[in-house]
Order: sequence, then C-alpha cells, then structure tokens
Amino acid sequence: AIRMTQSPSSLSASTGDRVTITCQASQDISSYLAWYQQKPGKAPKLLIYAASTLQGGVPSRFSGSGSGTNFTLTISCLQSEDFATYYCQQYYSYPPLTFGGGTKVEIK
Amino acid sequence: QLQLQESGPGLVKPSETLSLTCTVSGGSISSSGFYWGWIRQPPGKGLEWIGSIYYSGSTYYNPSLNGRVTISVDTSKNEFSLKLSSVTAADTAVYYCARQKGYSSGGLWYFDLWGRGTLVTVSS
Repeated sequence: AIRMTQSPSSLSASTGDRVTITCQASQDISSYLAWYQQKPGKAPKLLIYAASTLQGGVPSRFSGSGSGTNFTLTISCLQSEDFATYYCQQYYSYPPLTFGGGTKVEIK
Repeated sequence: QLQLQESGPGLVKPSETLSLTCTVSGGSISSSGFYWGWIRQPPGKGLEWIGSIYYSGSTYYNPSLNGRVTISVDTSKNEFSLKLSSVTAADTAVYYCARQKGYSSGGLWYFDLWGRGTLVTVSS
C-alpha cells in the first residue's frame, strides 16, 4: 500500500496568513492526488484533484502543487472559515486507496 | 442536486455484522463515470477507505479489512449497501458514503460528493 505522510500534523495560524501543508507519498503517484477539507462534525469536502485542479466552487485562495512524491496545499490568505483539518488522498495505485493522517489548522 | 444519505443501526454487537445503506437522491446511481464508495473515520482519527462499487456491480475492497467487507448495489432503489462482518470495537467509526469519480474498467479516483456520515458503535 502507498503510504501518505502529511506534515505538520497541526499548525496554528492567524487570519490572513499564508499556510502551506505538505503531503509525501511513499512512491511515485504522478499527479493522482486529491485534497479534502473537514470541519468538526462534518463530512470531508473535496478541494483539489489531480494535484492542482480546483474543484468547482472552491475559493481561489486554495491551490495545490507537486507531482511524483511531494505535494503541497497552500491557502494564500487564511480566512476564519478555513480553520479545519485537511487530508490528502492518493488514487494512483489501489487497492487500497489511501489518505494522509491529516493536518489540523488551528487559530493562533 | 445529488445527495447521499447513510442509514442503518447505530449500535452493533461484537462479532455481528454491520449493515448500512446509502440512498442516492437527485441523480442516478447508474450514471457512467462514477463509483460509489464507503469511507470510515474512527472517533478523533483519520479517514480509511473501505471499498467502492460501480453500478454494474464491479467492486474494489481494502485488503486491510481481511475479506470482511461486502458492498452491493441496487439500481432499482438507487442505493448501495455495506456489510462488515465479525465486527469488533475497532470498527467503531463514523461511516460515510460518497460518490467517486472513476471509470468502469477500474479507474478509482477522488470522492467529490459525500453523505453526512453515520456513527456506528460496536459494543455489547
């Protein structure tokens, strides 16, 4: 199984900050990577697929980059509604599909 | 717009079978280009993919569940179902159903629409 490692596991930031979350795959997954946002008590929401393609309706302050084994999710100007946990997911090789362990973005 | 809703018992006894159904509304489960999946999340932990099914019945399962999983589809009812046998406390989780982009010959991609999730507790 491909292991997805996210870092950091949590971070504290202020509204207006630029935030970067990384996701590393245990092997080359090309660009077969998605990012999700999950708020407490809610289902995950798709933000980005194919490593850098923004899902419809997602604000442009979210962006994704990377290919191969190293990927990043960037929030250019953190808003109050962005405080949540973020997960990456690979869909290059399966079964199993695998998720990263999550990165919790908290208010500083 | 398309919505997914999980239903089923919230409490299951150890060694028994967990059974959940996901009802799809606002669209057809028989649409090409989509798989239908189950994902779970133990309390306070991360996401784990359980398995996915195409409307034709083609399935993929997570090997870590050691053959305990069966996913089926009923296109006449526009729903798909999950059965997880021989459950233990480790199977306590919020279970989500979700629509998954993919293609019939075996392309499983990302999950673009999710149900709200249902908590299933395994306890005697």
